[in-house]
Amino acid sequence: AQSVAQPEDQVNVAEGNPLTVKCTYSVSGNPYLFWYVQYPNRGLQFLLKYITGDNLVKGSYGFEAEFNKSQTSFHLKKPSALVSDSALYFCAVCFISNSGYALNFGKGTSLLVTP
Amino acid sequence: EAQVTQNPRYLITVTGKKLTVTCSQNMNHEYMSWYRQDPGLGLRQIYYSMNVEVTDKGDVPEGYKVSRKEKRNFPLILESPSPNQTSLYFCASSLSALNTEAFFGQGTRLTVV
Repeated sequence: AQSVAQPEDQVNVAEGNPLTVKCTYSVSGNPYLFWYVQYPNRGLQFLLKYITGDNLVKGSYGFEAEFNKSQTSFHLKKPSALVSDSALYFCAVCFISNSGYALNFGKGTSLLVTP
Repeated sequence: EAQVTQNPRYLITVTGKKLTVTCSQNMNHEYMSWYRQDPGLGLRQIYYSMNVEVTDKGDVPEGYKVSRKEKRNFPLILESPSPNQTSLYFCASSLSALNTEAFFGQGTRLTVV
């Protein structure tokens, strides 16, 4: 099955420190990978995507993600965390299924940035 | 402003009483989908539509129906809601399915008692 896994339910980091939110994927063929963020009482917002090309992808709000084919990972990173980055983060994979297209999400990682 | 609009935002209903959650997008997107979000389970796809009059089941379609009569609208119908359908529901749209980002509505919190 085409899927992504987020091994951490919660990540805690102090403001100003670098942050990493982990995601690994299991996909046959070329993966189409995404990161979304969800703030309280809001829908999901797109952060960045990897389709092809450069393994380091830059996205919104200073976030970036590194596609690593040998480790089947797509970790989300930011050099210096802000308290306002505290939110729920979802990794997702898009693929062609037997009946069409599907977008599968990980279970989410709650990021808490403390002052 | 580009947006996906869901209504209602909050709904409490009783078991068996038919309800519809509306979803509308103003971006002329072809692809639309519905998800439910439950604690510890992340988002699971209920149904999706690749274009007008084309719909298909996602991972958890039981107990739900959808229709796509117009490009902009994609309502979610619960013919006979049950308590296990208590959840947070999101509608999403994207220009295409495979490699473009999805825009999400603000969510509908449904409670079935």
